[in-house]
Amino acid sequence: QKEVEQDPGPLSVPEGAIVSLNCTYSNSAFQYFMWYRQYSRKGPELLMYTYSSGNKEDGRFTAQVDKSSKYISLFIRDSQPSDSATYLCAWSYNQGGKLIFGQGTELSVKP
Amino acid sequence: DTEVTQTPKHLVMGMTNKKSLKCEQHMGHRAMYWYKQKAKKPPELMFVYSYEKLSINESVPSRFSPECPNSSLLNLHLHALQPEDSALYLCASSQGNKGAGTGELFFGEGSRLTVL
Repeated sequence: QKEVEQDPGPLSVPEGAIVSLNCTYSNSAFQYFMWYRQYSRKGPELLMYTYSSGNKEDGRFTAQVDKSSKYISLFIRDSQPSDSATYLCAWSYNQGGKLIFGQGTELSVKP
Repeated sequence: DTEVTQTPKHLVMGMTNKKSLKCEQHMGHRAMYWYKQKAKKPPELMFVYSYEKLSINESVPSRFSPECPNSSLLNLHLHALQPEDSALYLCASSQGNKGAGTGELFFGEGSRLTVL
């Protein structure tokens, strides 16, 4: 079983739709949870960061963590064409340095 | 704009060349990282420097040689690379508290390397 499972997509939605991106993980030692956005030919950009179960909201983005089910989600409200990118979930342990990434979901928001 | 700056943005080299990738950050972060990313794949960790000391080497071949001259700079020296080493090389930094990394990494835009 992979440590992290993420559907690679591609996922195509119309502008204004609510997007739901999901990841599951198997290692209960993971303590910190992140979502990164990566535009084509650019480096990943940190979108959301959390270390506790529950919801965290930032503008149109909401990250949801369920540690008991080992499941994290990213919701994008009122999606825009500029949201078209690859979204990577990521985890780290409670010690220095190593991020474990999901495979990334390629999202396309059509005008 | 990212606060982690990588140069060059693009590099083409032959298998016998020696080249270097450079990374700089001025956020006062004490941990710096090299990741390698192939097309349509997630980034893969290569090296971690914490407080200017190499703390993680993910069994990277010796043709890749990292160097951390000071807390703001990170280099990756390349020698005798193979065509399969062609990829996007990403530098990242984090606050890097000793004994407890938070995982909140900030990435540069990457150096796209092509090995002929």
